[in-house]
Amino acid sequence: AQTVTQSQPEMSVQEAETVTLSCTYDTSESDYYLFWYKQPPSRQMILVIRQEAYKQQNATENRFSVNFQKAAKSFSLKISDSQLGDAAMYFCATIGTSYGKLTFGQGTILTVHP
Amino acid sequence: DTGVSQDPRHKITKRGQNVTFRCDPISEHNRLYWYRQTLGQGPEFLTYFQNEAQLEKSRLLSDRFSAERPKGSFSTLEIQRTEQGDSAMYLCASSLSGTGIGYNEQFFGPGTRLTVL
Repeated sequence: AQTVTQSQPEMSVQEAETVTLSCTYDTSESDYYLFWYKQPPSRQMILVIRQEAYKQQNATENRFSVNFQKAAKSFSLKISDSQLGDAAMYFCATIGTSYGKLTFGQGTILTVHP
Repeated sequence: DTGVSQDPRHKITKRGQNVTFRCDPISEHNRLYWYRQTLGQGPEFLTYFQNEAQLEKSRLLSDRFSAERPKGSFSTLEIQRTEQGDSAMYLCASSLSGTGIGYNEQFFGPGTRLTVL
């Protein structure tokens, strides 16, 4: 079984500043993947960044990076140089290699102030 | 456009009616997933297919729900005798099966928003 917890229902950041979104998870899988998805208002969900659990190196994608702490089962997302277009609901999710389904957290609404 | 498409985008129905949604995955993807998302919550898994085979169904998928993927391409999700509690966004996603990170990335469609009056 897998669970994902996002403890921050809402976060806000000033444009050009940095913000970190928190995520903790639990899984019975020995090998798994972690993802952050972005869902803008009334628009479809898109993948922001992904992390293979067996890799110690934290994933980065341009302004987006993660802090993956496997022992603590923590997977936070850092957005640098925040832009107005980053405003969205962000979901943390996990998938095990033996299962097809994604398990999502409750989401964090990110507001970016100009 | 080669992304995941869903039809209709919005559906309003009266309680007790049947509704059917369609999902067209990315053409080379052999896995197709259905999720349900209520307002302000994360998507919850309903079921998924690998080719034509339905490999897993969630306990959320009551007997009123049925999903098919007859030729391993598009899929339909039918809800019979709709209830107000069925009001939600129904999301479809597709991926390739296999090992490695690239095979586990699910691409989502825009969703079908169902409102049951």
